[in-house]
Amino acid sequence: AQRVTQPEKLLSVFKGAPVELKCNYSYSGSPELFWYVQYSRQRLQLLLRHISRESIKGFTADLNKGETSFHLKKPFAQEEDSAMYYCALSGSGTYKYIFGTGTRLKVLA
Amino acid sequence: DGGITQSPKYLFRKEGQNVTLSCEQNLNHDAMYWYRQDPGQGLRLIYYSQIVNDFQKGDIAEGYSVSREKKESFPLTVTSAQKNPTAFYLCASSRTKGINEKLFFGSGTQLSVL
Repeated sequence: AQRVTQPEKLLSVFKGAPVELKCNYSYSGSPELFWYVQYSRQRLQLLLRHISRESIKGFTADLNKGETSFHLKKPFAQEEDSAMYYCALSGSGTYKYIFGTGTRLKVLA
Repeated sequence: DGGITQSPKYLFRKEGQNVTLSCEQNLNHDAMYWYRQDPGQGLRLIYYSQIVNDFQKGDIAEGYSVSREKKESFPLTVTSAQKNPTAFYLCASSRTKGINEKLFFGSGTQLSVL
């Protein structure tokens, strides 16, 4: 079955601490992986995608095909990182995304 | 100001009533999508359209209908057959139907049952 799993509903960290938001996926082909973010009172928007191998706002994510994971990481959390984060995948042969259930990140002062 | 516009922001449905949620985009995107967002369940795909006059069911299409008569518009009708319509509905679009295309989202419509 095609599935994206985000095991943590809520993750609280202190400002300056490292952050890791977990994402595991189940997909039979070669998916493309994404992280979307929703800040308070803003629209859901793309944070980063696997194929671009980019770092956005200090966040990075590495696709580990062996562990079928795409964890989102940031070495030093900022208060403005507090938001809802969704991991998603898109697969060959289909044009629809599959989203995880989301993780709410709270960065404490 | 380019983007996706959803209206209304809040909508109330009476028992047995059909209601239509509007989604308009001026990004010249080919593909459009409707998602339902429930607390703790993430986003679930209702319908998607890759091109005008064509659309496909997503994972939870029962009780919903759509049309795509114009490239910029993809309205969603929540019919009386949808027994649990209370949710937050998100419309999205992407430039093409490619698997690596970024999704652009609207600001959403909260539907509640009276």
